[in-house]
Amino acid sequence: NAGVTQTPKFQVLKTGQSMTLQCAQDMNHNSMYWYRQDPGMGLRLIYYSASEGTTDKGEVPNGYNVSRLNKREFSLRLESAAPSQTSVYFCASSELTGAGELFFGEGSRLTVL
Amino acid sequence: AQSVTQLGSHVSVSEGALVLLRCNYSSSVPPYLFWYVQYPNQGLQLLLKYTSAATLVKGINGFEAEFKKSETSFHLTKPSAHMSDAAEYFCAVSDRRSGNTPLVFGKGTRLSVIA
Repeated sequence: NAGVTQTPKFQVLKTGQSMTLQCAQDMNHNSMYWYRQDPGMGLRLIYYSASEGTTDKGEVPNGYNVSRLNKREFSLRLESAAPSQTSVYFCASSELTGAGELFFGEGSRLTVL
Repeated sequence: AQSVTQLGSHVSVSEGALVLLRCNYSSSVPPYLFWYVQYPNQGLQLLLKYTSAATLVKGINGFEAEFKKSETSFHLTKPSAHMSDAAEYFCAVSDRRSGNTPLVFGKGTRLSVIA
């Protein structure tokens, strides 16, 4: 039972480099999300996709772009990484936005030097 | 916008003692409310949720939470702490008035259990 799978689990970048975090879910969920977790800040929503073909900004979208490739996959791209983007990133999915239970991946730890 | 406040970033209890983690929400209309738990180096998993049925909600691992509209609170409790309960706990809220609104998380409370 894979659930939500994120890759890579760890990544080190230099300032200005780009990278894409991949996320896939196998639960046929409509909604997918990207959160970042920083010490003392809880989880903050970067972007979400309520359904295939739609994406919306969350609380902290600056410096990120997303693509809902199909119903299963939702990627997060950093075009020009900055040290402030050093964080742990979580992808999640749910059947419905808001009322439904979120299922989380194991996280991707990103360090930007 | 909806928000939740978790009182205490770190709570420490003895094994066998009562666990009480506090969460208050800001809304004039009762929202959807959730508690999630995060064990070290893992993603979050749902403990329990309130969606307007019973005000006392029972979750996994012996946890429960009571929705109190008058206090705008949704505190998480467990009668007797176990070492395996050591983790970080997050309260989350979603505005039921706005349709498809993603969850907003509190800043988390780290629970330590002392033997």
